[in-house]
Amino acid sequence: QQPVQSPQAVILREGEDAVINCSSSKALYSVHWYRQKHGEAPVFLMILLKGGEQKGHEKISASFNEKKQQSSLYLTASQLSYSGTYFCGTENAAGNKLTFGGGTRVLVKP
Amino acid sequence: EAGVAQSPRYKIIEKRQSVAFWCNPISGHATLYWYQQILGQGPKLLIQFQNNGVVDDSQLPKDRFSAERLKGVDSTLKIQPAKLEDSAVYLCASSSRWGGGNTIYFGEGSWLTVV
Repeated sequence: QQPVQSPQAVILREGEDAVINCSSSKALYSVHWYRQKHGEAPVFLMILLKGGEQKGHEKISASFNEKKQQSSLYLTASQLSYSGTYFCGTENAAGNKLTFGGGTRVLVKP
Repeated sequence: EAGVAQSPRYKIIEKRQSVAFWCNPISGHATLYWYQQILGQGPKLLIQFQNNGVVDDSQLPKDRFSAERLKGVDSTLKIQPAKLEDSAVYLCASSSRWGGGNTIYFGEGSWLTVV
C-alpha cells in the first residue's frame, strides 16, 4: 500500500526550514528517503530502520515513529540545491517490499 | 564505482509497436528492480529479481510487459504492444541484497513516449 506524503509541494526561501511527512497504514521495517531532480535519477538520502538505526546523509535529518508508522524529513537552513521532489519509500514489516509515495515538490528560492 | 547503466535514454514509438530497455546494475548487486514512473508520480515497482530469479512481479502487466535477467547480471524489459498509457520513465535499480533496509541505487532511466 502506497505511503501518503505531505505536503504535496512547498516553496521556501534560502535559509528557511521545512518538514516533509510520510505516513503508512501498516507496520514498517524501514523508511527510505530519496530526492529527484527533473530528468535525473532518484538519489538516496537516508534509511531509517525499526529499532532506531539510521544510515545516510550527514546534512539531512529525519525521524521514524515506528508505533505511528510515520517518518519526517527535516530540511534545515535550506539551500538552492535542496530543490527537487522528495520521495519516501516504506518497506513492509517483512522487509521484502519497498513502496514509494507520490512525492513532495520542494522549490527553494534565493 | 560505476552506477546503474540504462539504455536507451529516450525512445519514441507508436502505439502497438514494441520497445526494449536494457539495464546493467552495479557490479556485485544481486537484486535488480524495474520501476515505472509516470510524470508527477512516485516510482511503481514492476518486477524485482534476486540473482536471475523473480521474487515479485505482482504489478507487471504480463499481457504486454516481460522482463528477464539471464545470468543474474544485466536485464531487459520489453513492452509489446505498447499503449499510450505506457508513456513513462522506466527506472532500473539495484541493491547488494534483497530487502532488510538495503539501499537501492537508481539508474538515470529510460524515457518512453508512446504516440
